[in-house]
Amino acid sequence: ETGVTQTPRHLVMGMTNKKSLKCEQHLGHNAMYWYKQSAKKPLELMFVYSLEERVENNSVPSRFSPECPNSSHLFLHLHTLQPEDSALYLCASSQDALLSGNTIYFGEGSWLTVV
Amino acid sequence: AQSVAQPEDQVNVAEGNPLTVKCTYSVSGNPYLFWYVQYPNRGLQFLLKYITGDNLVKGSYGFEAEFNKSQTSFHLKKPSALVSDSALYFCAVSPPTDSWGKLQFGAGTQVVVTP
Repeated sequence: ETGVTQTPRHLVMGMTNKKSLKCEQHLGHNAMYWYKQSAKKPLELMFVYSLEERVENNSVPSRFSPECPNSSHLFLHLHTLQPEDSALYLCASSQDALLSGNTIYFGEGSWLTVV
Repeated sequence: AQSVAQPEDQVNVAEGNPLTVKCTYSVSGNPYLFWYVQYPNRGLQFLLKYITGDNLVKGSYGFEAEFNKSQTSFHLKKPSALVSDSALYFCAVSPPTDSWGKLQFGAGTQVVVTP
């Protein structure tokens, strides 16, 4: 139990589908993140939310659309993805995004396969 | 720009022997340094971090890391490795300011501990 729960754990979708990844943190944190982990590549930061406000969009294509309705929940809406978007998507949270040195806690990840 | 390097793709060690996973970094100012571990088909788990103070940091599962400012290194160590330590290990760095809590990750080092 990491305190950060992601659903679904596995998702297969076609290139024309619309799906969403969900993340919930039970740690009382104020910041939430989406990271992408692809084979043979370092982890890539996608989005950062602090107190439900997006503070970082790391040049992510618009086919990925995040949503943070409150400080405990984070979604990643997926639309018209490409096969190269297949990866492990990791949600994470930390106490305070404004404070450097905060420990970031990760969920178990959602394995996405685009066919 | 900040960066972190893990020079070894894989480290092989026999159970009971000392384990070292290397990490070097490049960042302006005094960095915040982290180690995470990822077991197969799981998310990242926090092991330890260096913020300030004692250069030797102790973390979870018997791991420790030594911050060496002159060599810009933060190597992860364990005196006696277990088969269950076999996993993917990530070093990460966060600059002291303006980071939005972001982490820059290394490419990861696969640790294989043989019985």
